[in-house]
Order: sequence, then structure tokens, then C-alpha cells
Amino acid sequence: NAGVMQNPRHLVRRRGQEARLRCSPMKGHSHVYWYRQLPEEGLKFMVYLQKENIIDESGMPKERFSAEFPKEGPSILRIQQVVRGDSAAYFCASSPPGGSGNTIYFGEGSWLTVV
Amino acid sequence: AQSVTQLDSQVPVFEEAPVELRCNYSSSVSVYLFWYVQYPNQGLQLLLKYLSGSTLVKGINGFEAEFNKSQTSFHLRKPSVHISDTAEYFCAVGSGFNKFYFGSGTKLNVKP
Repeated sequence: NAGVMQNPRHLVRRRGQEARLRCSPMKGHSHVYWYRQLPEEGLKFMVYLQKENIIDESGMPKERFSAEFPKEGPSILRIQQVVRGDSAAYFCASSPPGGSGNTIYFGEGSWLTVV
Repeated sequence: AQSVTQLDSQVPVFEEAPVELRCNYSSSVSVYLFWYVQYPNQGLQLLLKYLSGSTLVKGINGFEAEFNKSQTSFHLRKPSVHISDTAEYFCAVGSGFNKFYFGSGTKLNVKP
């Protein structure tokens, strides 16, 4: 049973370009989370999605960032017009359906470098 | 809303010494508690979790944690650390509706 798969692992973008990060949850998981980890900082929650629904996007910057989790295919975190401050590790996590007591499992991360 | 506090941002310790990484949370409802470990340039791996039952939870790599409801703490311990335990450790709280809150992390630096 494959774990949470993220790609690309490393991505370099010039300022102003777009970055797309993909995440395939573990088999049987219908909940996806995106977190950002800036250098020397902890994990910051960005967004929580279920299939075709954004449940909580309270951690998403108001501009340039968007996320989706379509009925088919991976979840996508999209960053438009990237700036140097977007350089960070972006982690995706997933959890199974159901209520309380679920465990969240992380992918290996996507490291975005904006030059 | 929940919050998770890891008071120690860095903990230096010598090899084979015991270590305790502290975690406190704020919550007025039932919570589920987790510790994760992150090695350099890698994702987070689950060390252990508390859902219910015995307050002493044993995890991988010889780590254990104790849930203390009255003190709202979930400290992580290991009686004898190895160089390979050098990593960053994150405490997390999960509540209903699949929401998870993470602490700011504690970097454990094991010295020879």
C-alpha cells in the first residue's frame, strides 16, 4: 500500500512563474491536507480538502494560492506568480474517511525554490 | 480552537542520556495526540499516538509518551538516545472533524 505520494520532490521556479504541486493520498483516504514549512519554522496549516470540496482554507494566503482535490486524480496546490518568499517545503498529508481518532499521514514533501 | 505548545525549540543531549520533549495543548474537548519525527529533507513520520485507554503510549524507535489530562500534556521520552535520533519532533493534536494542529517543533541534537 503506497504512502502519500508527492511530486515533484524539488521544483525551481523564477519569480512570476506558476508552481503546481501534486499529491496523491494513500489508498482509501479521502481527506487531504496541505502544510507549508518555511526554513527554520514549524508546520503551518494551509488547507484541508475532501473530494471536490474545500473544507477549511483558513491557512491559505488570500492571493495567488489555490488548491483543489478533484473527483479523479491528485490534489493540486497551485501558486501563481511566485515570489521569493514562497520558497519552502510543502507537505501533503492524508487521512481516511470517518470521524474522530483518525491519523494523518504525510508525504515526503515538495521543495519549492524561487529564484 | 486548539493550540499546541512545544516550549523547547532545541534540546541538546549526549548520546545514551535520557531525553524528554515537552508538549502542552489547550482543549476543552476530547483530543487525540500524536508525535511525529522529521529527519532532514524528509516528510513527517508517525512516532506514536494516543487515542484512548492507557495513558502511557509506546512508539517506534524506543520512544514513549504519557498523556496527562489534568496537566494537558503529552511529553515524549526516551531513556537512552542514539545519534540517529537527531531530528525534529512535532507534537500534534487531532480533534473531531479531522482537524489537526501542530506545535512549532523541537530539534533534538544528540551529541557523541
